[in-house]
Amino acid sequence: QQQVKQSPQSLIVQKGGISIINCAYENTAFDYFPWYQQFPGKGPALLIAIRPDVSEKKEGRFTISFNKSAKQFSLHIMDSQPGDSATYFCAVSSGGSNYKLTFGKGTLLTVNP
Amino acid sequence: DTAVSQTPKYLVTQMGNDKSIKCEQNLGHDTMYWYKQDSKKFLKIMFSYNNKELIINETVPNRFSPKSPDKAHLNLHINSLELGDSAVYFCASSGRGGNEAFFGQGTRLTVV
Repeated sequence: QQQVKQSPQSLIVQKGGISIINCAYENTAFDYFPWYQQFPGKGPALLIAIRPDVSEKKEGRFTISFNKSAKQFSLHIMDSQPGDSATYFCAVSSGGSNYKLTFGKGTLLTVNP
Repeated sequence: DTAVSQTPKYLVTQMGNDKSIKCEQNLGHDTMYWYKQDSKKFLKIMFSYNNKELIINETVPNRFSPKSPDKAHLNLHINSLELGDSAVYFCASSGRGGNEAFFGQGTRLTVV
């Protein structure tokens, strides 16, 4: 059973546009919702993360929107740039001693110049 | 100064061989992980160690054996390599509280 479902699988956006990637989860015990960015040949790097006590978090051009009742969260990239072209992964985690991230299947974002 | 470093970056080997991947972190973190990324880029946890103790083993075949000699190191030894083991293996670490994980650059393992 897939614990976190990510969509779309791929996304093409024009420079300056808004990129939106969505994730849905099942387990209400999850309390940490990060987004990771991965460039070819590199490891995933934390981009931005949110906890369920807030509905939105913004860092520069990147915003996470979180809907606890719908068990969904999304990444918005404003003013998308060609340098943003990468694979984006949402993930979920719960606190306590269960130290693991469960990842979505990833979204390949291409930003055309 | 690399935070999480893995060696080697590339590993090509024949079926049936035994190989090891090494990982070191200089972040002072208590928890280290091995993740596997398959050809479709799906990332899945394999193992997690906290203070040198195994706390997560995600039904990985016994051919895979992690070893943590100290908090800063987590190595992965793979016996009797199979074609299906071909993937990118990532080491990661996280601090107290566990959530934010820092990943290494990955080791691309190709079994021929």
